[in-house]
Amino acid sequence: GDSVTQTEGPVTLSEGTSLTVNCSYETKQYPTLFWYVQYPGEGPQLLFKVPKANEKGSNRGFEATYNKEATSFHLQKASVQESDSAVYYCALRTGGYKVVFGSGTRLLVSP
Amino acid sequence: EAAVTQSPRNKVTVTGGNVTLSCRQTNSHNYMYWYRQDTGHGLRLIHYSYGAGNLQIGDVPDGYKATRTTQEDFFLLLELASPSQTSLYFCASSDATGGDTGQLYFGEGSKLTVL
Repeated sequence: GDSVTQTEGPVTLSEGTSLTVNCSYETKQYPTLFWYVQYPGEGPQLLFKVPKANEKGSNRGFEATYNKEATSFHLQKASVQESDSAVYYCALRTGGYKVVFGSGTRLLVSP
Repeated sequence: EAAVTQSPRNKVTVTGGNVTLSCRQTNSHNYMYWYRQDTGHGLRLIHYSYGAGNLQIGDVPDGYKATRTTQEDFFLLLELASPSQTSLYFCASSDATGGDTGQLYFGEGSKLTVL
């Protein structure tokens, strides 16, 4: 079946350092890929999506490129802020509108 | 902005108890989803639906029933609750039309404790 595997957390960084959260996926269908972010006490919310292979998505300084050959969709940010502390989820949606999430990566940024 | 409302927000029951979690979305979205969130497992799909009367099986359906009574309302039913079903449950909705990003809009979650 469809699955998503991402970096285990927590990931602890200092402000101003760079972030990479790895995400790989498996599906036999053509996926649309998403990154979601979840803050304490809230439901997840969309960070950005990339519907097409070899395209990049970005929002709030975060970006990811949909690499179809490597079946990867790694999240990156050049310089993290304390306000970026949250849980990040990689997700894929297939043609039947089933949406599968990874296990989430907790990011802790210290000032 | 999409609005998804879940109730109850907190529920405590005993083993063998009967629980219904409710979800209502007011944005005329076609798709609705139920997930459970557990540490180390992230969000796992229980059931989803693309319209009233429709039900699709997710990845962790055992012990759960669901029913979509209208386009707005999607219910998750635990008829014989077990401690392993203690979790934070999220409902979400999505528009399947081409104009939307296809993103999921989540509710605030329902925390269920089974003693």
